Parts: sequence; structure tokens; C-alpha cells
Amino acid sequence: NAGVMQNPRHLVRRRGQEARLRCSPMKGHSHVYWYRQLPEEGLKFMVYLQKENIIDESGMPKERFSAEFPKEGPSILRIQQVVRGDSAAYFCASSQGALPADTQYFGPGTRLTVL
Amino acid sequence: AQSVTQLGSHVSVSEGALVLLRCNYSSSVPPYLFWYVQYPNQGLQLLLKYTSAATLVKGINGFEAEFKKSETSFHLTKPSAHMRDAAEYFCAVSATGNQFYFGTGTSLTVIP
Repeated sequence: NAGVMQNPRHLVRRRGQEARLRCSPMKGHSHVYWYRQLPEEGLKFMVYLQKENIIDESGMPKERFSAEFPKEGPSILRIQQVVRGDSAAYFCASSQGALPADTQYFGPGTRLTVL
Repeated sequence: AQSVTQLGSHVSVSEGALVLLRCNYSSSVPPYLFWYVQYPNQGLQLLLKYTSAATLVKGINGFEAEFKKSETSFHLTKPSAHMRDAAEYFCAVSATGNQFYFGTGTSLTVIP
């Protein structure tokens, strides 16, 4: 059973460009979570999705950031018009059932660098 | 609201020595508590979790943690450090809903 897959592992964008980060959850997992890790900081919750639904987006910045988890295909975190402050590691996690009782499994992350 | 505080952003121990990484939590309801390990350029891996069963929780790689409600603590220990234990360790709390709150992490260095 493959783990959580994220791609790309490294992404470089210039200010003003768009960044698309992909996450394929573990097989059989229908709950997906996105986190952001800034340098020297812990992970900060961004959004929680189930298939075709955003359940909790309270950690998402109000502008430029969006997330989706379509019926088919990976979950996508989209950042429009990136700025230098968006440079961070973005981690996706998935779980089979709802948290906190269930366990979430993390992907290797996408490291976004904004020039 | 929930939060965790990890005391000591950097901890160094000699190989074979006791590892003690500190975590204090704040939660208005009975919490679930977690320790994760992160190796360089990798995602987080679950070490252990407390889910209101036994207060002493045993995890992978010889780690364990004890839930102490009176001290609001969930410190991580390992009797004897190995070189392969060098990594970043994160404590996390979750109570209701689906949000995890992570500490700022403790970087463990193991000295040969």
C-alpha cells in the first residue's frame, strides 16, 4: 500500500505566478488535510477536505489560496499570484476515518520557493 | 482552544544516554496527544498517540510518553539514544473536530 504521494517535491515560482501542489492520499483514505510549515516553525493547519467537499478551511488565507479534492484524481492546493511569504513546505496528510480518533499519515511535502 | 508548548528547540544527548523531550499542552476538553518525528526532507511519521486509555503510551523505535493531567504534560522519552534518532520531533494536540495543533518542534542531536 503506497503512502501519501505529493508532487512536485520541489517547486520554484516567481512572484505573481501560480503554484499547484498535488496530493494523492493513501488507498482507501477519503479524508485529506493540508498543512504549511514555515522555516523554524511547526505545522499549521490549512484545510480539511473529503471527496468533493471542503469540510474546514479555517486555516486558509482568505485570498489567493484554494483547495479541492475532486471525485477522481488528487487533491490540489492552488496558490495564485505567489509572494515571497508563501515560500514554505506544504504537507498533505490523509486518514481513513475522521480525526482525532483516527491516524493521519503524512506525505513527504512540497517545498515551494518563491523568487 | 488547544495549544502545545515544546520546551527546548534544540536538545543534544550522547549516544546511549536518556532522551527527554518536553511537551506541555493546553486544552479545554480531554485531549488526544501525539508525537511525530520528521527526518530531513521527509514528512512527519507518527511515533505514538494518547487516546485516553493507558497514560503510559509506547510507540515505535523504543520511544514512550506519559500523559500527566495534573502537569498538563506529555513528555517523550527513550532510555538509550541511537544515532538514527537524530531528527525533528513535534508534539501535537487535538481535542474536538479535525484540527491538529503542532508545537514548534525540538531538534534532537545525538553525539557519538
